[in-house]
Amino acid sequence: GAGVSQSPSNKVTEKGKDVELRCDPISGHTALYWYRQRLGQGLEFLIYFQGNSAPDKSGLPSDRFSAERTGESVSTLTIQRTQQEDSAVYLCASSLERTGRGYGYTFGSGTRLTVV
Amino acid sequence: SQQGEEDPQALSIQEGENATMNCSYKTSINNLQWYRQNSGRGLVHLILIRSNEREKHSGRLRVTLDTSKKSSSLLITASRAADTASYFCATVYNSGGSNYKLTFGKGTLLTVNP
Repeated sequence: GAGVSQSPSNKVTEKGKDVELRCDPISGHTALYWYRQRLGQGLEFLIYFQGNSAPDKSGLPSDRFSAERTGESVSTLTIQRTQQEDSAVYLCASSLERTGRGYGYTFGSGTRLTVV
Repeated sequence: SQQGEEDPQALSIQEGENATMNCSYKTSINNLQWYRQNSGRGLVHLILIRSNEREKHSGRLRVTLDTSKKSSSLLITASRAADTASYFCATVYNSGGSNYKLTFGKGTLLTVNP
């Protein structure tokens, strides 16, 4: 597609429930990131996929968080047993960046997650 | 952490004035990028400067990079009310092997008053 698509746009869930967030990157973009942004804060790195390499999961805050990506296509971020502190906007970005040549990243509009 | 730090955290100016935001980082980088965010949702890529470049222009934007001081600045000239947004710097660095990682600072909130 023309841009990075994230769904759902908004999600309200009850504490303790699992949620799945989806990201459709731009076709051909090998690099894909997930970030979390709490209200009024900066972007917190969660996970990074680069082609078929093993993902960099160093930013995932707990084992309740996991993410998958099939090849260079769709990625899903799953949060199990959601807690109120998980409430945030979850942003996905993709890029042609592969070898440090220097490409910008295209962001989706994010999923606003509210845990009640 | 490689995360950049923007300065100031918030900046308020009058329309027509110039706005300057600074970013500092900790380790060697491949390139540095600036992004803009309106209303807390998706970020928009503004400009990228490579580690072997010192200055770059794009329209009313001017970015400088000083790798010896590990710092960058973003200048917006002749600001407009529509420039009101949060601005983030992001650094790309080699995180091992052929992987290049993108990390963000906390951002500067720019308010341009009409």
